[in-house]
This record gives sequence, structure tokens and C-alpha cells, in this order.
Amino acid sequence: NAGVTQTPKFQVLKTGQSMTLQCAQDMNHEYMSWYRQDPGMGLRLIHYSVGAGITDQGEVPNGYNVSRSTTEDFPLRLLSAAPSQTSVYFCASSYEGGRTGELFFGEGSRLTVL
Amino acid sequence: AQKVTQAQTEISVVEKEDVTLDCVYETRDTTYYLFWYKQPPSGELVFLIRRNSFDEQNEISGRYSWNFQKSTSSFNFTITASQVVDSAVYFCALSVTQGGSEKLVFGKGTKLTVNP
Repeated sequence: NAGVTQTPKFQVLKTGQSMTLQCAQDMNHEYMSWYRQDPGMGLRLIHYSVGAGITDQGEVPNGYNVSRSTTEDFPLRLLSAAPSQTSVYFCASSYEGGRTGELFFGEGSRLTVL
Repeated sequence: AQKVTQAQTEISVVEKEDVTLDCVYETRDTTYYLFWYKQPPSGELVFLIRRNSFDEQNEISGRYSWNFQKSTSSFNFTITASQVVDSAVYFCALSVTQGGSEKLVFGKGTKLTVNP
């Protein structure tokens, strides 16, 4: 059972480039979310989805897009990368939802924007 | 504001000492959930416990115990007889429902170092 799989694990971008962080889960969880982790800031919610075709913004959505065409996949797109988006990104899923359920996290993707 | 405060940024102990990680929260919700997650040096995030606001019983799991007190809005985590493998960053989190949004609000974390 793979759980939550994130790719790539590491990525270096130049300012203005675009990229997509992939997230897939094989637990049939309806709820999926993206967090970013910055030193001294804890984890902050970027976007989340309560099911296929439904997405919503979290605390820090600016500069990021998401879509949810299937239950399994929840990609995070950076349209024009900025140095402020240098961070570690975690995808998480939950059976019960973002409010009540245990979150299962991916291993994280470390992004550096030069 | 709905937030979580982990006032201890870093704690260092010697193996076999007991250590308590503090978590204080603020919420407007009458029903809410509290969580603890562990992030070892390898970087993954691991769920430790969930507690709902109606259940104030303390929880014990091996060397880990949690003390939930609604009167002081605290959900503290104690490790008894700490071990080197307990070295990690520990996050406390609070469930928030705001404008239809479901999310967890995380504290900034407490880095625990257990020295041999």
C-alpha cells in the first residue's frame, strides 16, 4: 500500500518558471490538501479538496492552482515561481475530512526558487 | 482568532528524562478536534493522536500521554523516559471550520532533542 505519493522530491526552479507538484493517493480518500512548511512557521494550508471536481483555498493560496479531476490525484501548480515559494510542500489526504480526520502525509517535496 | 500556540521552540533533554510539550489553543467553535503530529529528522509527518472537544479524558499510549484541559485551552503532550528516537519536531493542530472551509491550523512546532 503506497499511501500518499509526491513527486518530485526535490526541484530547483528559476524565477518565472512554472511547474507542477504531483500528488497521488491509493486509499480512496475524498479529502486531499496541500501544505507548505517554512522554518518557524509550522504548516500552512494552500489548497484543499473535499472530492473530485471540488477545490477550495486555504490560508496561503496566492501563486498556486489546483484541480481535482480524479479521487486519486491532486496536483499543485506554480504558474510563475517566485523566491517566496521556496519551501517544503506536503500533500495530505484523509478519509474523514480536513476537520476531523487523521491526515496521511506524503514525504514532501523540497522546492527551491532562484 | 483561531490558532495554536506552542511556546517552546526547542527543548533539549537527556535520555530517560520526562518531557512535556505545551500546546495552547484558541477557538470560537464549540466542537473541535485537536491533534499531535511528529516529524522526525527524516522529514515525514506522522499522526500521533486526535482528541475531540467532548472527550476530556487523558490518553496514554506506552510512554506517551496527553492531557486535555478545556478550562485552560491546553492539550499538552508528555513523553515519559524519553529516548533518542523521540528526537523530532512535534506539531499540535486544531481543527477549524471557517466559511465552509475545513482545515487544520498547526502550531509552529517544538523541536525536541533527546541526548544520549
